[in-house]
Amino acid sequence: EVQLVESGGGLVQPGGSLRLSCAASGFTFSSYEMNWVRQAPGKGLEWVSYISSSGSTIYYADSVKGRFTISRDNAKNSLYLQMNSLRAEDTAVYYCARAAYCGGDCSFFQHWGQGTLVTVSS
Amino acid sequence: DIQMTQSPSSLSASVGDRVTITCRASQSISSYLNWYQQKPGKAPKLLIYAASSLQSGVPSRFSGSGSGTDFTLTISSLQPEDFATYYCQQSYSTLGYTFGQGTKLEIK
Repeated sequence: EVQLVESGGGLVQPGGSLRLSCAASGFTFSSYEMNWVRQAPGKGLEWVSYISSSGSTIYYADSVKGRFTISRDNAKNSLYLQMNSLRAEDTAVYYCARAAYCGGDCSFFQHWGQGTLVTVSS
Repeated sequence: DIQMTQSPSSLSASVGDRVTITCRASQSISSYLNWYQQKPGKAPKLLIYAASSLQSGVPSRFSGSGSGTDFTLTISSLQPEDFATYYCQQSYSTLGYTFGQGTKLEIK
């Protein structure tokens, strides 16, 4: 059974840093591209970042570019999100999501973790 | 960036109703459109991928259609467990897997 378990969320002051982790199990982690998606309280879903299976290709949403860094450790079956210079608007539940492909540019988020809450407040 | 616009933003319907939710892309995304269902306090769940392919285990009352810029999610006969928020998402541009703003489906 595919499992994704996020951790590392919590309360942080504006300008602070936090590192989220996503522990994967039940599949060959090194074969799959991964993403972070967030959801502010009462709001919709926002894609945050993508990393290829090897870690060689990375993309970010404009809203986090230059502040967040996605990475992975395939030996530890883990995905990370280093968040720096945090702002109040970064307050959200952060989900890791495993991508699946159906050819060409066809991809979708087949499996999701339960999410971890990040609150940025003084 | 590709923008995704869903309509309506909210919808009231009754058990047994047929419901349609629309998603429009700001540019052509071929058939690279997915639909997710989210219930309060839970992670999103994949329903439809590639515009019209039903994810394994999803009831057949859910269906998707469209290509280019205009897409629809249809629930043929609403069940009590279908009341949730629905999101579309494009996978055409890997620079940003944009989601729509969501459609909240409520009980009338």
